[in-house]
Amino acid sequence: DTAVSQTPKYLVTQMGNDKSIKCEQNLGHDTMYWYKQDSKKFLKIMFSYNNKELIINETVPNRFSPKSPDKAHLNLHINSLELGDSAVYFCASSQVSQVGYTFGSGTRLTVV
Amino acid sequence: GNSVTQMEGPVTLSEEAFLTINCTYTATGYPSLFWYVQYPGEGLQLLLKATKADDKGSNKGFEATYRKETTSFHLEKGSVQVSDSAVYFCALSDRTGNQFYFGTGTSLTVIP
Repeated sequence: DTAVSQTPKYLVTQMGNDKSIKCEQNLGHDTMYWYKQDSKKFLKIMFSYNNKELIINETVPNRFSPKSPDKAHLNLHINSLELGDSAVYFCASSQVSQVGYTFGSGTRLTVV
Repeated sequence: GNSVTQMEGPVTLSEEAFLTINCTYTATGYPSLFWYVQYPGEGLQLLLKATKADDKGSNKGFEATYRKETTSFHLEKGSVQVSDSAVYFCALSDRTGNQFYFGTGTSLTVIP
């Protein structure tokens, strides 16, 4: 069983479309995260949810909206996709941050 | 504020060479420190961690020691293998436990 699973693994779409990325964790963790990794491998935190409550909301465009139906799921919806949104998006979860994150394998989003 | 600075890559080594990747941090209080590894096409995996000063984290032949006096957590391995080729991220977690702070990543390529 994959601990943190993201779908889809690859996503190619045209500018202006709306798309969603799903994330599920079966570790019983309370906190989930979305990170964006650019082409230079730089990781930027986007959002963090703790028990379905938004606790970190970094400066990202309003076109990005996270949704957490329960503490095991954190989905990312992106409206009006732009070329600059092309990146790898990672979901992660943790129980207590000091123990370390568990990352999903990533979703490579390509906007054409 | 909290931040992590790690040496820029890319780093290219011959097999069996000694590896050091430097990492220094700035933090308020007493953070926990981590090294993550990202193999090509995969998500980040926890490599090792240290939660207090003078702790040494180790895994798969890699080591790093939490040095409070120099605010450093350098990653070392005595003899690298081709399979160690990956991107390595230094990270810290503050005591609030809400967020990790990642370095920019260091790409390592080991050639036979």
